[in-house]
This record gives sequence, structure tokens and C-alpha cells, in this order.
Amino acid sequence: TQLLEQSPQFLSIQEGENLTVYCNSSSVFSSLQWYRQEPGEGPVLLVTVVTGGEVKKLKRLTFQFGDARKDSSLHITAAQPGDTGLYLCAGEGSYKLIFGSGTRLLVRP
Amino acid sequence: DADVTQTPRNRITKTGKRIMLECSQTKGHDRMYWYRQDPGLGLRLIYYSFDVKDINKGEISDGYSVSRQAQAKFSLSLESAIPNQTALYFCASGMDDADTQYFGPGTRLTVL
Repeated sequence: TQLLEQSPQFLSIQEGENLTVYCNSSSVFSSLQWYRQEPGEGPVLLVTVVTGGEVKKLKRLTFQFGDARKDSSLHITAAQPGDTGLYLCAGEGSYKLIFGSGTRLLVRP
Repeated sequence: DADVTQTPRNRITKTGKRIMLECSQTKGHDRMYWYRQDPGLGLRLIYYSFDVKDINKGEISDGYSVSRQAQAKFSLSLESAIPNQTALYFCASGMDDADTQYFGPGTRLTVL
């Protein structure tokens, strides 16, 4: 069974701080996605990484896929209150997505 | 209008009742999915369908059934609801040649 573990589970930081969220597995995934979910809404795709070692940037968010395609990280620079939400990683395998348990981020003004 | 819609958005029911959750998508996707979300457990796949004639069980299909009425419609049924089926339920649709999924707004189901 493929599993994805996210850490930390919860993160509360002050506006302007930097943070990193990790997504780890013992399995290899053909691609890995990061979603953000806000209360009362479904997850919304932020990025998909496909190649081992790939780095993608989305404004203040930097996503990295591990060389072995088993892990990924999300780094947020100078976090803002609007970044508050649940961040989910999801690995693609056999045409299905396997989701991590999520990291709940709170950015305090 | 939203691309993936779910009805109802909230439902409270009693143990033993039959419940149907409905999902429609306007994106023309062949693939549709049902997930449940519980605190600390992320999203877990219940059932998925790659086209109207294709239905597959996910990791937690026990106690659930689905029906793919048309390309755009995928419904989830709980034949006899039990309290541990209390959760957020999400429907999603996806493209054939990519792994991107588009999620509906969710249905909050409470089984008393």
C-alpha cells in the first residue's frame, strides 16, 4: 500500500516568517501534486511535479520533487495570512491519487 | 458556475437510513472520483470511474455504492448509514491523459 506522510501536521507562524512542509513516502510516484484547501471548499491544485529533482515556483511558494520521486517539499517565503489553509500532497500511481494527511497552516497577522 | 457541483452540501441523517450524494461536472471529463475526508486522515478514495461503463473500488468502498448515470453524473450511496460514515465527502473529475483532478465543494454528512 502506498502511503504519504506529511509533516508537520499543524503549523502556526507569524506573518513574514518562512516555512517548509514535507511529504514523504517509501514508494515511487510518477508525479506528485500539491493542493490547498480552505474551509467549506474542495482542494484546489497548486502545482504538479513530474521529474525527479524538479523545482517549481509559484510566487512565494517553492515546490521540490525529490531525486528518487519519493518525497516532496513546499517552502513558503514571507508567509501572509492569506496563505492560511490545509495543504495536501498527493502522489499519482495507477491513475489514482494517494493523499497525505495534510498540514494545517495558520499565519497570524 | 462551478465546474463540479455536489448536492446536498450538508445532510444529517439517522443510522440505518439510505443516503444518496450527487455529483455533476461540466468539464467534459471522463474520469470521476468519490473521496471522504476525516480529520488527520486526508482524503481517501471510495470509488472511481474512468468512463460510464467503468466502475472501480477504491481503498474504502465497504458500505458504499456508486452509479455513473452519464459522463457528467456520478452518485454515491450509503445503503444503510452508520455513525462512522460521518465525514466530508468530495467528488472530483479528471482528464484522461493527465492526473489533475478538479474537486467539488464537498458534502458534510452527519449520521446520528
